[in-house]
Amino acid sequence: DAGITQSPRHKVTETGTPVTLRCHQTENHRYMYWYRQDPGHGLRLIHYSYGVKDTDKGEVSDGYSVSRSKTEDFLLTLESATSSQTSVYFCAISEHDNLQHFGDGTRLSIL
Amino acid sequence: GNSVTQMEGPVTLSEEAFLTINCTYTATGYPSLFWYVQYPGEGLQLLLKATKADDKGSNKGFEATYRKETTSFHLEKGSVQVSDSAVYFCALSDQGGSGGSNYKLTFGKGTLLTVNP
Repeated sequence: DAGITQSPRHKVTETGTPVTLRCHQTENHRYMYWYRQDPGHGLRLIHYSYGVKDTDKGEVSDGYSVSRSKTEDFLLTLESATSSQTSVYFCAISEHDNLQHFGDGTRLSIL
Repeated sequence: GNSVTQMEGPVTLSEEAFLTINCTYTATGYPSLFWYVQYPGEGLQLLLKATKADDKGSNKGFEATYRKETTSFHLEKGSVQVSDSAVYFCALSDQGGSGGSNYKLTFGKGTLLTVNP
């Protein structure tokens, strides 16, 4: 398995609080991605990174920000969580091709 | 933009039955096509892929052929097992764009497969 660790694996928090999810990789891959998975929508790309400090928006980026200060870490932040952001969040990595490897996900519940 | 449409299911089969999960796509260029599988409580795993027209991807008894003329990539297996119960996602990769957009994936909504003994 690709060395991808997502933390936390589960989180319950309240509306309006800030939340940060972490994706850590040990593969030294260049590209990292954050997706959310919701019933009836499949996986949708939130943000992605193509190098340290290089990030760009995906199709559902509103309400989310990301940072990548080191190759191995890609952080996803919800500045002020809303109930619509309750979801399962997946991190993925890839190197110089389009083969993405996924972490085990973070289940986030916002009450 | 790119899009993927797949059978939403759920699909319920008996063990040893034949499986087909339909997938069609819309893309501006010449994408690579993928099937991912998600077992309960886990992340997605690549099942198979095809990178150009008429390529056949295969793995673990599953097959899919990249059909450019019908823009399809249907997943098939001749004899399913209980252990194949999972959610299956069809996806395509964006082959164009600048920066890191070359490898973005667009997913279908997923198809839940349940195989009964």
